[in-house]
Amino acid sequence: AQSVTQPDIHITVSEGASLELRCNYSYGATPYLFWYVQSPGQGLQLLLKYFSGDTLVQGIKGFEAEFKRSQSSFNLRKPSVHWSDAAEYFCAVGARRSQGNLIFGKGTKLSVKP
Amino acid sequence: GAGVSQSPSNKVTEKGKDVELRCDPISGHTALYWYRQSLGQGLEFLIYFQGNSAPDKSGLPSDRFSAERTGGSVSTLTIQRTQQEDSAVYLCASSLGVASYNEQFFGPGTRLTVL
Repeated sequence: AQSVTQPDIHITVSEGASLELRCNYSYGATPYLFWYVQSPGQGLQLLLKYFSGDTLVQGIKGFEAEFKRSQSSFNLRKPSVHWSDAAEYFCAVGARRSQGNLIFGKGTKLSVKP
Repeated sequence: GAGVSQSPSNKVTEKGKDVELRCDPISGHTALYWYRQSLGQGLEFLIYFQGNSAPDKSGLPSDRFSAERTGGSVSTLTIQRTQQEDSAVYLCASSLGVASYNEQFFGPGTRLTVL
């Protein structure tokens, strides 16, 4: 069965510091991979996605993620965090042959210190 | 254009009552999804629609949950005889079609509290 693990429940970083949020997935083949962000009281917004090709993908708001097949990982990174990045981040996978629903991790809450 | 909207934004109900949650997808989106987000949990997939059809209802937590979609647009998630464990945020998403590569656009959710 497909699953997604986000090992870190809560991360605090200082404004301007770099960020890496971890995501590991379990799936028999290469899935579609997504990162979403949820700000307080808001719906989820897609940051970036990976389907195939270049394993380093760029997203909105200066985020990027790297797909590593050997590690079954899809970690999210940002070189310099802004206070407005404080939110909850969800990694998700979608099967290539599926009804389209996504399997989400439990999320990582990001706090940003001034 | 308008995004996905959901109503009500908050719903407080008493245990045993029925509730209806509404989702208005983005116009032209044929696929519609319902997810549930419980405190400290990720998003749990409930059901999806392709047009007005819901081919697989196995994700619904119990037979107290049902959903329908009419006119290929608005969808309603109904919970009968609500229980306290039903308290959660219910999120709706829509996409151009049923396939994982289609971006899903999420609504702001309905926060359900069962007392």
